[in-house]
Amino acid sequence: GAVVSQHPSRVICKSGTSVKIECRSLDFQATTMFWYRQFPKQSLMLMATSNEGSKATYEQGVEKDKFLINHASLTLSTLTVTSAHPEDSSFYICSARRQPGDTEAFFGQGTRLTVV
Amino acid sequence: QKEVEQNSGPLSVPEGAIASLNCTYSDRGSQSFFWYRQYSGKSPELIMSIYSNGDKEDGRFTAQLNKASQYVSLLIRDSQPSDSATYLCAVRGAQKLVFGQGTRLTINP
Repeated sequence: GAVVSQHPSRVICKSGTSVKIECRSLDFQATTMFWYRQFPKQSLMLMATSNEGSKATYEQGVEKDKFLINHASLTLSTLTVTSAHPEDSSFYICSARRQPGDTEAFFGQGTRLTVV
Repeated sequence: QKEVEQNSGPLSVPEGAIASLNCTYSDRGSQSFFWYRQYSGKSPELIMSIYSNGDKEDGRFTAQLNKASQYVSLLIRDSQPSDSATYLCAVRGAQKLVFGQGTRLTINP
């Protein structure tokens, strides 16, 4: 199966600082990557969809200036949480899809962000 | 109405019994349906996908889809303690996967 690697798996940062999370497709080229956020005991909520070489499409209610997404290559997308606050503490998960028509996407391991 | 609805549980099933998980969805045009298993603190793991009406079996797992009723279910036969997890139903719309809130399943030894 396809492998998606997410880094770091856990990060603790101080309020007001920025944190970058990486999502890499290790054995395939991902035309599309998705970023989700999951709060405790809740489901995954899609934050944004990123296509290689173009601007990310953000879901309603997600601040694009706060959650910066870069998909500069077919194997790497990054999510930067800028000026993080305690309410941004969550489990962030990426997934990657090979082709636009593919129905299946592969998930990274997730990143537990704690803002103190 | 939520796009994808699941009973959040918890659902408690004795070891060896059949666990039945249910999901309904609102977008009648949906074509792809998935069941994911998520252990606490981990990311979701795909266990079944189904695209056409009827049953699809894979080992101890059977997914059932009824597009007319907008209903998809997952049966787990011979439940094991290792099946204890949250099960997420996901439905693909035009571009994105929409997840249900998940059902927490506990298998009791």
